[in-house]
Amino acid sequence: RKEVEQDPGPFNVPEGATVAFNCTYSNSASQSFFWYRQDCRKEPKLLMSVYSSGNEDGRFTAQLNRASQYISLLIRDSKLSDSATYLCAVNRGNTPLVFGKGTRLSVIA
Amino acid sequence: DVKVTQSSRYLVKRTGEKVFLECVQDMDHENMFWYRQDPGLGLRLIYFSYDVKMKEKGDIPEGYSVSREKKERFSLILESASTNQTSMYLCASSGTVTNEKLFFGSGTQLSVL
Repeated sequence: RKEVEQDPGPFNVPEGATVAFNCTYSNSASQSFFWYRQDCRKEPKLLMSVYSSGNEDGRFTAQLNRASQYISLLIRDSKLSDSATYLCAVNRGNTPLVFGKGTRLSVIA
Repeated sequence: DVKVTQSSRYLVKRTGEKVFLECVQDMDHENMFWYRQDPGLGLRLIYFSYDVKMKEKGDIPEGYSVSREKKERFSLILESASTNQTSMYLCASSGTVTNEKLFFGSGTQLSVL
């Protein structure tokens, strides 16, 4: 089983829709969790960290479920500019991040 | 803002050539990383370094080596390039122990013919 797994998509959603992605991780020792965003032909950039209590940043909500070993990203009121690939990443303390393969989102007008 | 600069955006090399990919960061970060990204395979860690002259193998180090002679510079070396090393190479740096905020360079698309 891969250490970090994501549904590759693509998720094609209309503007204004709510969309959610999940990411599962296999190592129960994983400590830190993140969502990165990667635009086409660009480098990944940190979107948000995922805290145990869940966290929100505007239209974006990230949640962690340790019991089931997954993290989620919810995007409300999708914009065309949200079209990108969303990568989840985990690490075990001070080890390098392990990335999922990414979930591609296309928001359609 | 942090800047991670990779020396070339596109590179074309021939099989068997020795290839150097250079990466420089300007934020005095301790930690630097080399990933490659391939369609369907995602980002895979090649090598990383937590200090000058220190290097650690990542998940796919075969066919690569690295050099970290100065804190700001981390070089990836393909000793004898092969066609299966055609890929997007991304350098990243981080200033924190937990490495949560990686700053990536804009990548080098390497084609080995």
